[in-house]
Parts: sequence; C-alpha cells; structure tokens
Amino acid sequence: AQSVSQHNHHVILSEAASLELGCNYSYGGTVNLFWYVQYPGQHLQLLLKYFSGDPLVKGIKGFEAEFIKSKFSFNLRKPSVQWSDTAEYFCAVRLDNYGQNFVFGPGTRLSVLP
Amino acid sequence: DTGVSQNPRHKITKRGQNVTFRCDPISEHNRLYWYRQTLGQGPEFLTYFQNEAQLEKSRLLSDRFSAERPKGSFSTLEIQRTEQGDSAMYLCASSLASGSTDTQYFGPGTRLTVL
Repeated sequence: AQSVSQHNHHVILSEAASLELGCNYSYGGTVNLFWYVQYPGQHLQLLLKYFSGDPLVKGIKGFEAEFIKSKFSFNLRKPSVQWSDTAEYFCAVRLDNYGQNFVFGPGTRLSVLP
Repeated sequence: DTGVSQNPRHKITKRGQNVTFRCDPISEHNRLYWYRQTLGQGPEFLTYFQNEAQLEKSRLLSDRFSAERPKGSFSTLEIQRTEQGDSAMYLCASSLASGSTDTQYFGPGTRLTVL
C-alpha cells in the first residue's frame, strides 16, 4: 500500500538552528506533494506545495522543500528557526491516478527552545 | 472569516449514540473532503464529494458512517451507534477543482469523545 513516512517523531532545536524534516513516500507514479503545519490549538495550514516544474519550492514563513524524484523524498527545510515555528508538521502526498485523497505522514513535532 | 468551518468543535457522547457533524467549505470550492485524525497520527482520508456527488469512500468508512452534501455546499458526517474507537478528530477540507492540481484547505475539526 502507498505510504508516507516522516523520519523523526519529535525534533528539538534551539532558535536560529537550521531545520530539515524528512519525508519519503512509496509510489512510483506522478505525485503532488504538500507540507502542512499545525500550530498548537490551530488547524492545519498549508506551508507549501509541489505539482511540477522546479523541484525546489518556497513556501510561507521562510520554509522551502526539495522534491528529489529518485529518492522519493520531499524534505522540508528552514535555515533559521524561530520559537514561533513550534508546531506539528505533516507531509502529504496526492497520488496521481488514485483519486483526490491525500495520504498523510504521521507528522513530526518540532519544539524550538527560546 | 471565510475559511472552512466545522460544528460542533467538540462532542462528547456515550457509546451507542448517533452523532452528526457539519462542515461548511470555502464558498467557491466544489470539492469537500472528510478525514479522521487520531492522536500522534496524520489525517486519514474518509470520503470526498465533488459538488453533491460522493466520488470516493475509504475502506475506513464503515457502514455506521454516512456523509452527505445534498446541495453541493455544506456537508454532514453521521456516525451511528458510536464506539469508543470512533474517538478522534474529524477534519473537513475543501478545494476548488482544477485538474490534478487542486489544494485542500482544512477546517478546525470536530473532536469526538465516545465514553
């Protein structure tokens, strides 16, 4: 079955540290890729998305992600995190030819220490 | 606020009771999705509508679950004879169909607790 994995369950960083959250999917066809963020007590919000074209996509709040097709990966990065980035981050994949539903990863909780 | 809204935000019920949740999508969006999220997991797809037609249903959606979108606007998700395993956050999302590149926007969710 198609699946999405996120490498880390919980990441703890100090402010100004660099961030990279891993996301891998198991599907050989065309995919659309997304990162969503859920701040404490808030709903899921879209950070960035990839459909086609430049595999390096930029999102809101200084986040970016790189699609590496050969590695089935879509890792999220930020050069310098802030305390306000503390949240849960979800990678999601829409599988072409599998309808409209998304397959979400289990999430990575990011804690940024001030 | 013109985002996706869901009501109620919290629901506590006793096992065996029926519950119904409502989702109001972003007004111009023609696709509407239901997901379930349990603690420590990402959302799991349940079903989706394009306008009033229910086009996909996950095998997670047992016979006790039914969803409707009668006029292609708001949607309801009903769970009959609730079980403790139904306790979860139920999320609604909507999107504007644009080939294969639509983006889903999520509501705040309805947290269900079955005692």
